[in-house]
Amino acid sequence: ETGVTQTPRHLVMGMTNKKSLKCEQHLGHNAMYWYKQSAKKPLELMFVYNFKEQTENNSVPSRFSPECPNSSHLFLHLHTLQPEDSALYLCASSQSGGRAHNEQFFGPGTRLTVL
Amino acid sequence: DQQVKQNSPSLSVQEGRISILNCDYTNSMFDYFLWYKKYPAEGPTFLISISSIKDKNEDGRFTVFLNKSAKHLSLHIVPSQPGDSAVYFCAASAGGYQKVTFGTGTKLQVIP
Repeated sequence: ETGVTQTPRHLVMGMTNKKSLKCEQHLGHNAMYWYKQSAKKPLELMFVYNFKEQTENNSVPSRFSPECPNSSHLFLHLHTLQPEDSALYLCASSQSGGRAHNEQFFGPGTRLTVL
Repeated sequence: DQQVKQNSPSLSVQEGRISILNCDYTNSMFDYFLWYKKYPAEGPTFLISISSIKDKNEDGRFTVFLNKSAKHLSLHIVPSQPGDSAVYFCAASAGGYQKVTFGTGTKLQVIP
């Protein structure tokens, strides 16, 4: 595997379900990100992790719970979601520090539908 | 309140001609600007960037121009190729922070 991978690619869940999104980066980066992209809206940053530590939470509701066990893996745990949470969830990674952290490498995303 | 705006949702250009994608921003603290390209079913990929201390950066067929007084940047692709057909996102960051603010994207179609 190369680059940034995300599983599953598609997910349909009910509002009472609990599911998790997984992201893995094979680039040796030490920063990882979760973004949300809703229809006709810009990418919205959700969380940032540097060296496994969360450094940014962009006012994300608690029904989204991130986990970063190491610099290569990032999870997004989902529970009691709402239909308006249906979106494309993108994971990204970068080097940390300097301008390198702005040049982020993205995975293909997980298309989430909440019924 | 969108701080990075791409007012043209789509653009069609003939192969071999120049494509010009535009972006405006409102936050005067932004000092680093990026363009990403996205193909269907893939994540965005970094294309080119420019620091606010410059007004132009060139990489092969891609050139980004920055007009700080107008808070405007543009991406020029010349000559345009069918493989350039994608959605292009403008993005910006401030003060070395990791938070990157994205625009809504412009879908470019290059017609053979």
